[in-house]
Amino acid sequence: ETGVTQSPTHLIKTRGQQVTLRCSSQSGHNTVSWYQQALGQGPQFIFQYYREEENGRGNFPPRFSGLQFPNYSSELNVNALELDDSALYLCASSFGQGANTGELFFGEGSRLTVL
Amino acid sequence: SQQGEEDPQALSIQEGENATMNCSYKTSINNLQWYRQNSGRGLVHLILIRSNEREKHSGRLRVTLDTSKKSSSLLITASRAADTASYFCATDESYKYIFGTGTRLKVLA
Repeated sequence: ETGVTQSPTHLIKTRGQQVTLRCSSQSGHNTVSWYQQALGQGPQFIFQYYREEENGRGNFPPRFSGLQFPNYSSELNVNALELDDSALYLCASSFGQGANTGELFFGEGSRLTVL
Repeated sequence: SQQGEEDPQALSIQEGENATMNCSYKTSINNLQWYRQNSGRGLVHLILIRSNEREKHSGRLRVTLDTSKKSSSLLITASRAADTASYFCATDESYKYIFGTGTRLKVLA
């Protein structure tokens, strides 16, 4: 158990809808990174939040957005869902800024299916 | 984009045998990490090796790093059926960690 919790664990949406995924980071961690993992692939970096500010972004369109709250929990929002958005969305918490944070602590993920 | 590429993509061995998987990456790094993922679940950190280290051990795990070849290997000794999982390397690139495509290891009892 990493202490990182994600919700919901599974959800089904239809094309064009919007979805919000939530992540509670491990106690003492101030950085949250979000990853998208398609079936059979490695996790792809979406973005990272450090102390409530977006700290970096991967190659994802603006319809992927996020928030980090004062307690360092985080949300991932995806608008105008497309079929290719179907994936496991992983949240990882860590302490520190950027890639020098060391070990990432992952939640169990939210599996999104877009029909 | 994928920074690391694991090799082989899939590996099937008998319990008790050793399993070796390799990771190649493209740009200079500060550190490299290995993670394990059971089917469809979250990733679990195994080991971190810094760019100035060449070898690191943790229990039955041995990791090597060759920065001149931009490659790393993960050795699992005396494998067990419970080691069946996907294994990923992750390298730091500026503010983020980039994961490879993974090696799917199956350990047969």
